[in-house]
Amino acid sequence: DAGVIQSPRHEVTEMGQEVTLRCKPISGHDYLFWYRQTMMRGLELLIYFNNNVPIDDSGMPEDRFSAKMPNASFSTLKIQPSEPRDSAVYFCASSLRPSSEKLFFGSGTQLSVL
Amino acid sequence: AQKVTQAQTEISVVEKEDVTLDCVYETRDTTYYLFWYKQPPSGELVFLIRRNSFDEQNEISGRYSWNFQKSTSSFNFTITASQVVDSAVYFCALHMGSSNTGKLIFGQGTTLQVKP
Repeated sequence: DAGVIQSPRHEVTEMGQEVTLRCKPISGHDYLFWYRQTMMRGLELLIYFNNNVPIDDSGMPEDRFSAKMPNASFSTLKIQPSEPRDSAVYFCASSLRPSSEKLFFGSGTQLSVL
Repeated sequence: AQKVTQAQTEISVVEKEDVTLDCVYETRDTTYYLFWYKQPPSGELVFLIRRNSFDEQNEISGRYSWNFQKSTSSFNFTITASQVVDSAVYFCALHMGSSNTGKLIFGQGTTLQVKP
C-alpha cells in the first residue's frame, strides 16, 4: 500500500493568497484527520472525517480554514486568505477506526506564508 | 482536563547508551488509550505502540520497551543500546475511550539526539 499521500510537500505563498493542501488516505480507511504542527502549539487536530462526512471541526482556527472530502480517496484543506501565522506543517492521517486505533500519517506539507 | 506532559524537551546521548523518555498523562476517563509516535528528520509521524488503560503489562519490542504505570499516570519509553537512527522527535499521545471526537492529544514531544 502506498500510504497516506499529501501534496505538495512544500508550499511558499504570499499573505492573502489562497492555499490548497491535498490528501489521499489509505484505501479502505474510513477516518481522515487533518493536523497542524507548530513550535508553539505542537500537534493539534483541526478536523476529522468519517466516511467523507466532517465529524468534528472544532479545531479549525478560523473561517479562513475549510476542509472537504468529496470522496473516500481525496480530501483538501483550504486557507483563504492565508496569513503568516498559518505557517506550519500540516499533516493528513487516516485510520480504519477512530483515534483509539493507530493513525497512519502522511509526510506533511510545510507551508510558509510570507 | 486531558493532558499529556513530556517534561524532557531534548535529550542527548552517545550511541549504545540506554535512554528513557518520560510521559505523564491526565484524564478522568477509566477507558483510554496511550500511544507513542516517532518523527524522524524526514518529518513523517510513525506509529510505535498503542496501549489501552486496562492492560498494564509492560511491552518489549526489540530495543524498545514501554513501562505503563496507572498509579503514577505514566507511560515511559526506553530505548536500549541507542543508535544514531533513533535520533528523532518522540511524541506521547492520549485518546479518551469515551470520546467520540477521534481526538488524539499529543505531548509537546521529546527530541532525542544520539551521537556516534
